[in-house]
Amino acid sequence: AQSVTQLGSHVSVSEGALVLLRCNYSSSVPPYLFWYVQYPNQGLQLLLKYTSAATLVKGINGFEAEFKKSETSFHLTKPSAHMSDAAEYFCAVSKNTGNQFYFGTGTSLTVIP
Amino acid sequence: DADVTQTPRNRITKTGKRIMLECSQTKGHDRMYWYRQDPGLGLRLIYYSFDVKDINKGEISDGYSVSRQAQAKFSLSLESAIPNQTALYFCATSQGTGGANVLTFGAGSRLTVL
Repeated sequence: AQSVTQLGSHVSVSEGALVLLRCNYSSSVPPYLFWYVQYPNQGLQLLLKYTSAATLVKGINGFEAEFKKSETSFHLTKPSAHMSDAAEYFCAVSKNTGNQFYFGTGTSLTVIP
Repeated sequence: DADVTQTPRNRITKTGKRIMLECSQTKGHDRMYWYRQDPGLGLRLIYYSFDVKDINKGEISDGYSVSRQAQAKFSLSLESAIPNQTALYFCATSQGTGGANVLTFGAGSRLTVL
C-alpha cells in the first residue's frame, strides 16, 4: 500500500523567511513523488516531481524538494517566502504503473507580511 | 480556453436529486480521473478511465457513477445526492503509462447538497 503523510495542516511564515513543508511517504517500491499547489478557487497545478533522476528536484516559483530514501521523506522548501506563495500544498505519490495517485491531506501556507 | 473544463462550477441541489458533473479536455490525454476534495482529507479518487472502453473504481466510488462519452469527455453522476456528498470535485487528465505522469486538473466543481 502507498500513502503520504503531510505533517502540519497549517504553516505560517513571515515574508522572506524559509518555507518548509513536510511530506513522508510509505511505499513498497521506489515511488514517484509530486508536489502540487492549489491557489484559492483554482485547481491543482504541478510544482515539481521526483522520478529518480536526481534526489534534489527544482520546481517552479523557486521551490525545491529533496528525496531522502533513508528518511522516506520528500520535503518542500523555498528559501524566501513571498506573499504570492500563500496557497494549499499537496504531496502525492504514484507507483510505476501510474494507475493511481495518492494525495496527502494538504498543508495550508500563510505568509505574514 | 482551459485545458480541462468542468461544468458547472457551482451547484446547489437537494437531497435525492440526480446531479451530473461534466468534464471535457483539449489536452488529447487518454486518462481521465474524478477526485473529491474535503477539508482535512485531501483528494480522494472516485473513478478513473484509461480510455473510452475502460472504467475503474477508485477508493470512494459508492454513490457515484461515471460515463466516458468520448476520449475528451468524462462525466460524473450522483444518482441520488445526499448531504455528505457536499464537496469540491475535480476532474484531471494524464497521458500515457508510467507513474511519472503529471495530472492536469480542472478548476473544480463545488457541489452543495441540502
